[in-house]
Amino acid sequence: DQQVKQNSPSLSVQEGRISILNCDYTNSMFDYFLWYKKYPAEGPTFLISISSIKDKNEDGRFTVFLNKSAKHLSLHIVPSQPGDSAVYFCAATAAGGTSYGKLTFGQGTILTVHP
Amino acid sequence: NAGVTQTPKFRILKIGQSMTLQCTQDMNHNYMYWYRQDPGMGLKLIYYSVGAGITDKGEVPNGYNVSRSTTEDFPLRLELAAPSQTSVYFCASSYSSPGELFFGEGSRLTVL
Repeated sequence: DQQVKQNSPSLSVQEGRISILNCDYTNSMFDYFLWYKKYPAEGPTFLISISSIKDKNEDGRFTVFLNKSAKHLSLHIVPSQPGDSAVYFCAATAAGGTSYGKLTFGQGTILTVHP
Repeated sequence: NAGVTQTPKFRILKIGQSMTLQCTQDMNHNYMYWYRQDPGMGLKLIYYSVGAGITDKGEVPNGYNVSRSTTEDFPLRLELAAPSQTSVYFCASSYSSPGELFFGEGSRLTVL
């Protein structure tokens, strides 16, 4: 049972344009969402997060949008740069109770930004 | 500041052998986790710990064991290695729940 899904295995974008990465979740208990970026032979690094009390969070070129009714979130990168080429993982957790910060990850989307 | 350090980075095991993946963090984080990543898949939680002396199973714990005797260290033990355990293993730590997880660089394990 895949509770967090990234249905696009890959995305190719031209430098300077917008990259939009999508993520869907099924568990209604999830209320905190994170995006991670991963380069080959490295561990994932945190990009941006959003709590379910918000529908948008921005950090520089990165913006995450959350649509709770649709159980959908997206990461927008504007403008895209070649250095953004990496695998992007969406992750989710339930903030309260016994979640203990455990994250459930999607399968990842490979982003390629062409110069 | 080293963050999360994993050793070894690469290892080849024969079926039935055992080994321990080491993980150390120097951020004084209470929460620590072990994930595995198979090709084309997301990360799956093996075990986690909320503090020294406290561990619990994640989504895919079979074939593994952990211990947490100190805040800093969270080793993962593989007993009787099987080809299905060929994967990349990531250790992570976190200060709070929910919160950002800090990951190590990974340990690539091949079981032949």
